[in-house]
Amino acid sequence: EPEVTQTPSHQVTQMGQEVILRCVPISNHLYFYWYRQILGQKVEFLVSFYNNEISEKSEIFDDQFSVERPDGSNFTLKIRSTKLEDSAMYFCASSGGGRSTDTQYFGPGTRLTVL
Amino acid sequence: AQTVTQSQPEMSVQEAETVTLSCTYDTSESDYYLFWYKQPPSRQMILVIRQEAYKQQNATENRFSVNFQKAAKSFSLKISDSQLGDAAMYFCAYRFNNDMRFGAGTRLTVKP
Repeated sequence: EPEVTQTPSHQVTQMGQEVILRCVPISNHLYFYWYRQILGQKVEFLVSFYNNEISEKSEIFDDQFSVERPDGSNFTLKIRSTKLEDSAMYFCASSGGGRSTDTQYFGPGTRLTVL
Repeated sequence: AQTVTQSQPEMSVQEAETVTLSCTYDTSESDYYLFWYKQPPSRQMILVIRQEAYKQQNATENRFSVNFQKAAKSFSLKISDSQLGDAAMYFCAYRFNNDMRFGAGTRLTVKP
């Protein structure tokens, strides 16, 4: 069964460094998403991406964040200058086109630790 | 703004028994989607069941079923014949367009 994959599973970085989190969505999906979950808290929507552009973003998704689909398979989230409060689990998700955009399938997540 | 509320931070059930997890949401939309996701200790988000708001029939997936009350904006999850592997955090989620909102989660413990 096709699944969303994410790398790395765990990333440790120093405050102020840039990190890139990578995702490979399900191959025939058209919509891509990033979410984050701070430890012990709810999952929060960051951004959705369709047709090579951002379709929606939350207030969390400020100028330090960016997303990109550099080729036909990868979808990345870049955090330019990490802060301690960026430490969280980051989930990528994807969904298909048409009516099937309703169901988002999540990857296993990347645990980001900012020291 | 759409909000999702899970009023039970923790629930416990005996193995083989039935448990119901509650979820309410707030929206002014009429066509939307609701989901339950399971998050085991590995922290992966696993889709359990989904409900389309325009469908009156409650969704069912094996031992998992929902009680969808659209007028009351209620979407509870029933787990029948609970198994040890059902122990996890369960998140209720609401989706309208590309924006998905999650509840705070209910931690389910299954006692052998």
